[in-house]
Amino acid sequence: DSGVTQTPKHLITATGQRVTLRCSPRSGDLSVYWYQQSLDQGLQFLIQYYNGEERAKGNILERFSAQQFPDLHSELNLSSLELGDSALYFCASSEPSQAQYFGPGTRLLVL
Amino acid sequence: AQSVTQPDIHITVSEGASLELRCNYSYGATPYLFWYVQSPGQGLQLLLKYFSGDTLVQGIKGFEAEFKRSQSSFNLRKPSVHWSDAAEYFCAVGPGNNNDMRFGAGTRLTVKP
Repeated sequence: DSGVTQTPKHLITATGQRVTLRCSPRSGDLSVYWYQQSLDQGLQFLIQYYNGEERAKGNILERFSAQQFPDLHSELNLSSLELGDSALYFCASSEPSQAQYFGPGTRLLVL
Repeated sequence: AQSVTQPDIHITVSEGASLELRCNYSYGATPYLFWYVQSPGQGLQLLLKYFSGDTLVQGIKGFEAEFKRSQSSFNLRKPSVHWSDAAEYFCAVGPGNNNDMRFGAGTRLTVKP
C-alpha cells in the first residue's frame, strides 16, 4: 500500500460525458501528479500540482483539467469524453525531488 | 529532452533463474533513475531509486540496479526469480523540464515453473 488513494476504481460512461477522478496523496506529500496509461501510448504524464498550484504540464488535452485543494487532495476532470480516452488514470504523490508513489488507479471505460 | 528505452518488450525466465532487465536513458545531466513494478490491474510500486552516491542500488523484493554513466544504463537484476515476480517493469528517469518523470515502454516478465 503506497498510501495514495484513488476513487473510483472503475468508471464506465458514454461519449460526450464528463467525469471526475479523485486522488488523496500520501500524508505530508505536497506534490500530486496525474498519469494516463493506455495500451498504445504507454504511461503518459498529464499534469503536476504542488501545494495547490499547477507546477508542470505534460500531454494533457484541453478537455482535461485538474486542481488541488487546500487539503491537498486532487481531482482530474475529463470532459467531452471520447472512446480514445478509455485508459487507466494514475495519481502519484511525492515530497520535493523525491520518488513518486502511485495510487491503484482508476480504470475508465468510455462506451 | 530526456528519454528512456527498455529494449526488451517481453522476457521469459524460469523460476530460480537470474534476471536482468535493461534500461537505457538519455539525459543532459545526472539523472534520477527509478524502477517500478506493475502487477496486472494494480498501480505502480517503487522497487528502487538512484539519486546519487553508490552506483549499485538495493531495492525491495531482492532487486538491485546498477547505474553506469558511461553506458547510460540502469539495469535491474535479481539473482533468483520467483513466480510472484511475473509483472510489468518500468524504468523511469527524471526530473524533466516539466519536473516530470519519463517512463520506458515497460518490459513484461513471464516466469516459467
